[in-house]
Amino acid sequence: GAVVSQHPSRVICKSGTSVKIECRSLDFQATTMFWYRQFPKQSLMLMATSNEGSKATYEQGVEKDKFLINHASLTLSTLTVTSAHPEDSSFYICSAARPSGSYNEQFFGPGTRLTVL
Amino acid sequence: QQQVKQSPQSLIVQKGGISIINCAYENTAFDYFPWYQQFPGKGPALLIAIRPDVSEKKEGRFTISFNKSAKQFSLHIMDSQPGDSATYFCAASPDPAGGYQKVTFGIGTKLQVIP
Repeated sequence: GAVVSQHPSRVICKSGTSVKIECRSLDFQATTMFWYRQFPKQSLMLMATSNEGSKATYEQGVEKDKFLINHASLTLSTLTVTSAHPEDSSFYICSAARPSGSYNEQFFGPGTRLTVL
Repeated sequence: QQQVKQSPQSLIVQKGGISIINCAYENTAFDYFPWYQQFPGKGPALLIAIRPDVSEKKEGRFTISFNKSAKQFSLHIMDSQPGDSATYFCAASPDPAGGYQKVTFGIGTKLQVIP
């Protein structure tokens, strides 16, 4: 299989604090991982692409100083929401790319529900 | 700018019926078309995917039809079951030969299969 885990699954924090979310590919190595944000009843919005050993590539409109991404190994990428505010409350989902022939299939984690009070 | 247009946004089908979700794209660089199934509070799961060198792909009760000239593709769920009730996303991405693969998602279709 291709299993991607996320931790924590749910987090509640106070405004102004920082929150770290981990994304792990459990049974394959992923040179590329992606971070998405999903609002209720909406589609997934790509926030950034994370490549192992290099800086993340952020999508237009995503604050890189607000959403820090680190991809320290081939199986782990982390997203840190710094100085979180209520508007950062959302469902954050990561995915990891696994080669399939000449293509890379993306496998998603179960998501992390962030609530900022 | 919605690069992958998906319809309908919601769909109610009776058990045993056929669920049909349609998607259209404009970017001719798209070369890989996956469908994802998402249950509430969970991440999307890859359901089935197609590449433009074939016009149809079937896996169990799920079939993708692909029309390259019309730039349209659709998901058919045969013999729909209540357990199929979920949100379905079509998606598209370019040829990853360039080393970067960004997946563009449709808006999603909430499917409800009623007994």
